[in-house]
Amino acid sequence: QQQVKQSPQSLIVQKGGISIINCAYENTAFDYFPWYQQFPGKGPALLIAIRPDVSEKKEGRFTISFNKSAKQFSLHIMDSQPGDSATYFCAANNFNKFYFGSGTKLNVKP
Amino acid sequence: DVKVTQSSRYLVKRTGEKVFLECVQDMDHENMFWYRQDPGLGLRLIYFSYDVKMKEKGDIPEGYSVSREKKERFSLILESASTNQTSMYLCASSSLGLETQYFGPGTRLLVL
Repeated sequence: QQQVKQSPQSLIVQKGGISIINCAYENTAFDYFPWYQQFPGKGPALLIAIRPDVSEKKEGRFTISFNKSAKQFSLHIMDSQPGDSATYFCAANNFNKFYFGSGTKLNVKP
Repeated sequence: DVKVTQSSRYLVKRTGEKVFLECVQDMDHENMFWYRQDPGLGLRLIYFSYDVKMKEKGDIPEGYSVSREKKERFSLILESASTNQTSMYLCASSSLGLETQYFGPGTRLLVL
């Protein structure tokens, strides 16, 4: 049983568009929610993260929206670029254990 | 820059072989983790370690063991490799009290 559910599995967006990836969780003990970006042949790398006491966090073109009551959080990539094409994983943390979503493969068309 | 290195990028082994995957981090991190990554399943935690000689089971420890004799090194052992252990294996490390995990490049293991 996956602790963190991620959708969609794949996403195609035109250059300049907005990419949106969604995650949902059940365990209210989770207290840290990172997003990781993985390029082919590389390990995942931290992109942006949020804690549940904040509803939104923005870093450049990347924004996390967090809805504590709905137990959902999402990644928005504004002005998506071909270089953003990668697999994105959401995760949730509890006592140093991470639970990852199943991943979203993003393809940004030029 | 934090560096997590894994001993092999690609490995091909036969069913029944004992397989060692090595991971080394250079940032004096207390925590180290082994995950496997499979399409549609994301990353699943196999084992993690908070300190030298300490280990804890993750979500899918069956068929695996680990060793942490030195702080910087965390080894994953497949006692008797099976075809269902064909996967990408990722090692990660993090500092105690900080949640950011740093991942190695992964080892793609094929068991024939």
